[in-house]
Amino acid sequence: AQSVAQPEDQVNVAEGNPLTVKCTYSVSGNPYLFWYVQYPNRGLQFLLKYITGDNLVKGSYGFEAEFNKSQTSFHLKKPSALVSDSALYFCAVRDDGTGGFKTIFGAGTRLFVKA
Amino acid sequence: GAVVSQHPSWVICKSGTSVKIECRSLDFQATTMFWYRQFPKQSLMLMATSNEGSKATYEQGVEKDKFLINHASLTLSTLTVTSAHPEDSSFYICSAHGQGPNQPQHFGDGTRLSIL
Repeated sequence: AQSVAQPEDQVNVAEGNPLTVKCTYSVSGNPYLFWYVQYPNRGLQFLLKYITGDNLVKGSYGFEAEFNKSQTSFHLKKPSALVSDSALYFCAVRDDGTGGFKTIFGAGTRLFVKA
Repeated sequence: GAVVSQHPSWVICKSGTSVKIECRSLDFQATTMFWYRQFPKQSLMLMATSNEGSKATYEQGVEKDKFLINHASLTLSTLTVTSAHPEDSSFYICSAHGQGPNQPQHFGDGTRLSIL
């Protein structure tokens, strides 16, 4: 069965500092991995995805994520945080071995960027 | 611009009434749509997978007769909360899947449902 874990409920970082939001996953086949961001009272917005190819994936708003197969991780990163990055971030995984489109979401990590 | 439109964004109604929420894909044909429920400070709980032209697939523990899903066209899926009660109050989010399993989901902005 597929699963995804976001070990941190909350991440605090000062503006201008680098940020990392952690995600680990478990799938039986090859993973499709996604990061989404959610602002208050809104739906989720797609940030980036890993399907295959380069392990470092670049996405929207300056975010990037690194796929690490040996550690089964897909941590979200940004070199310099902005106050406007403060939001709820979800990691998601889909297993290409199971067929269909069912995606499992992590519990979410709330990012606070302080000015 | 938004590729998935969800309506209404907020609804307040009396206990016992039924509420319909619409989810439309604007720029593409969505053979598969998903309905999620999100509780405060929690992740998304998948309620059901909606497939165009066929019955929805409900997740374990979700009442089919309570949450009616219709996906009559490639651009529209509806969720009807029947005989709603205060415990049904929640944030409901739909998403539509692009073509192919490696495409991201596009989410609507959600519907805040409050049952008095």
